[in-house]
Amino acid sequence: GAVVSQHPSWVICKSGTSVKIECRSLDFQATTMFWYRQFPKQSLMLMATSNEGSKATYEQGVEKDKFLINHASLTLSTLTVTSAHPEDSSFYICSARVGSYNSPLHFGNGTRLTVT
Amino acid sequence: DQQVKQNSPSLSVQEGRISILNCDYTNSMFDYFLWYKKYPAEGPTFLISISSIKDKNEDGRFTVFLNKSAKHLSLHIVPSQPGDSAVYFCAASEDSGGYQKVTFGTGTKLQVIP
Repeated sequence: GAVVSQHPSWVICKSGTSVKIECRSLDFQATTMFWYRQFPKQSLMLMATSNEGSKATYEQGVEKDKFLINHASLTLSTLTVTSAHPEDSSFYICSARVGSYNSPLHFGNGTRLTVT
Repeated sequence: DQQVKQNSPSLSVQEGRISILNCDYTNSMFDYFLWYKKYPAEGPTFLISISSIKDKNEDGRFTVFLNKSAKHLSLHIVPSQPGDSAVYFCAASEDSGGYQKVTFGTGTKLQVIP
């Protein structure tokens, strides 16, 4: 089955620093990847859609200068949380779709970010 | 504005019985629906999906029912097993400017009691 790999799985950083999270599609090419965020006991909230070779599309309320997304190749998208603050602490999950319309998203295992 | 709602935050079922998880949505543009299973600190795992042109899809112990007029879908698990204990998310997809945007519900925590 389709595998989406996310790294790191857990990161602790100090306030003010930047953290990069990688999302790779291991056995398929993904022109589009999706970044989600989940707060404890809440739903997964779509942050942005990452498009290979072009700018990401951000959801309303998500700061694009805060959450930098780069989709440099068909198998790699990165999310950089810039100048992280404690309120950025969350569980970040990437996903990609295998195939075309009406096919399921496959998710990475997520990254737990803790900003101290 | 929560477009996909799972009104039951938790559900307990005896092993061997049927588990029924419910989901309601408000956006009539949703045309593809999915159920995911999630364990803590892991990404969601796809379970089963259904297109808006169907009203039922079955895969082994899992069956998803869609009632478009009521904007309601449900996931039936029968028989339930202890390994099914997890958080289940309902998700709905719509075409959004050239790509499919997937919106998730708030999740229902299922506990299957041995």
